[in-house]
Amino acid sequence: QKEVEQDPGPLSVPEGAIVSLNCTYSNSAFQYFMWYRQYSRKGPELLMYTYSSGNKEDGRFTAQVDKSSKYISLFIRDSQPSDSATYLCAMSDTTSGTYKYIFGTGTRLKVLA
Amino acid sequence: GAVVSQHPSWVICKSGTSVKIECRSLDFQATTMFWYRQFPKQSLMLMATSNEGSKATYEQGVEKDKFLINHASLTLSTLTVTSAHPEDSSFYICSAPSTGTDTQYFGPGTRLTVL
Repeated sequence: QKEVEQDPGPLSVPEGAIVSLNCTYSNSAFQYFMWYRQYSRKGPELLMYTYSSGNKEDGRFTAQVDKSSKYISLFIRDSQPSDSATYLCAMSDTTSGTYKYIFGTGTRLKVLA
Repeated sequence: GAVVSQHPSWVICKSGTSVKIECRSLDFQATTMFWYRQFPKQSLMLMATSNEGSKATYEQGVEKDKFLINHASLTLSTLTVTSAHPEDSSFYICSAPSTGTDTQYFGPGTRLTVL
């Protein structure tokens, strides 16, 4: 079993739809949860960063962390064609003393105009 | 946010030659940087952790003699792919944690093609 599981997609939605992206994980020591957006042939761009459980909202993006279920989500409201990209979840356990991240495989999202 | 740059963005080389990729933190200092490789439609695979002033830490299965890492200063780490072969063709990305946070910022990546 992988430490972090993420559906690779692709996920196609019409413009304006609400998109839900999810990751599950197995390591209960993870405390930091990140979502990155990666356009083709570009480096990942940090979207959201959450510590421990709870919700965090930034514009059209909402990140949720449920540590009891070991499940994190990213919601995109009013999706736009420019949101078409691969979305990667990442997690870290800073109690190990390193900044090492464990990444999901990424979900490819396509927003259709 | 913090900015990380990479150079070159794209390189083509002949089999058997060596290629050096630079990773710079532009507006912050980074005692640690990470090097990843990414194959098409796959996630990032951590290759090694670059430590300023000491040896890099390599992940299991990554050849340290093939992928030489030098963290020369608090803003620069280099990855040298030695005796490159076509199977080394990939997208190489570096990252660095911004000072005082646990968030990693990624460079734009370097696409290496070995003929």
